[in-house]
Amino acid sequence: DIQMTQSPSSLSASVGDRVTITCRASQNIINYLNWYQQKPGKAPKLLIYTASSLQSGVPSRFSGSESGTDFTLTLTSLQPEDFATYYCQQTYSPPHTFGGGTKVEIK
Amino acid sequence: EVQLVESGGGLVQPGGSLRLSCAASGFTFSSSSMNWVRQAPGKGLEWVAYINSDSNTKYYADSVKGRFTISRDNAKNSLYLQVNSLRAEDTAVYYCATYNSHYYSVDVWGQGTTVTVSS
Repeated sequence: DIQMTQSPSSLSASVGDRVTITCRASQNIINYLNWYQQKPGKAPKLLIYTASSLQSGVPSRFSGSESGTDFTLTLTSLQPEDFATYYCQQTYSPPHTFGGGTKVEIK
Repeated sequence: EVQLVESGGGLVQPGGSLRLSCAASGFTFSSSSMNWVRQAPGKGLEWVAYINSDSNTKYYADSVKGRFTISRDNAKNSLYLQVNSLRAEDTAVYYCATYNSHYYSVDVWGQGTTVTVSS
């Protein structure tokens, strides 16, 4: 099975900050990597698919990139509504494993 | 509006069974692959199972293989998860979600149904 190692597990940031979250795959997954945002008590929401494509309706301050088996979610100019937990997921081969999550908290 | 509504969760004793359902509307369910994803209390997301549009292909997480069965009824626009031999570690919110086969992503999620396994 493909393991997804996500870091950091949590971070504190202020409104307006730039935030970077990383996910490393245990093997090549091409670009079959998605990013989700989840707020407490709510279902996850798709932000980025195939590593760098922005889901419709998602603000452009969210972006994704890849370098080999390393994938990055970047939030530029953090907004109050962005404080949430973020997950990566690989859909290259089943089981479609998720990363452990990154909780973005208010500093 | 695309909508997924799960039901069937509840409190069950260890070793028990439940059948989770997901009612789909607002899109062509019969053409969509589907997933179940779960989340234990205070934990991260865990992918559970996948089924393609015509039920010919199914995949399961190792943690549920042999105990859970994913199925669908395209005539009823419904997805199911039969969960048997339940264990305490199966306690979670279970989400039904669409799988976008063009973009290889889980793009629409239901609100979830809670399964609690306890004596």
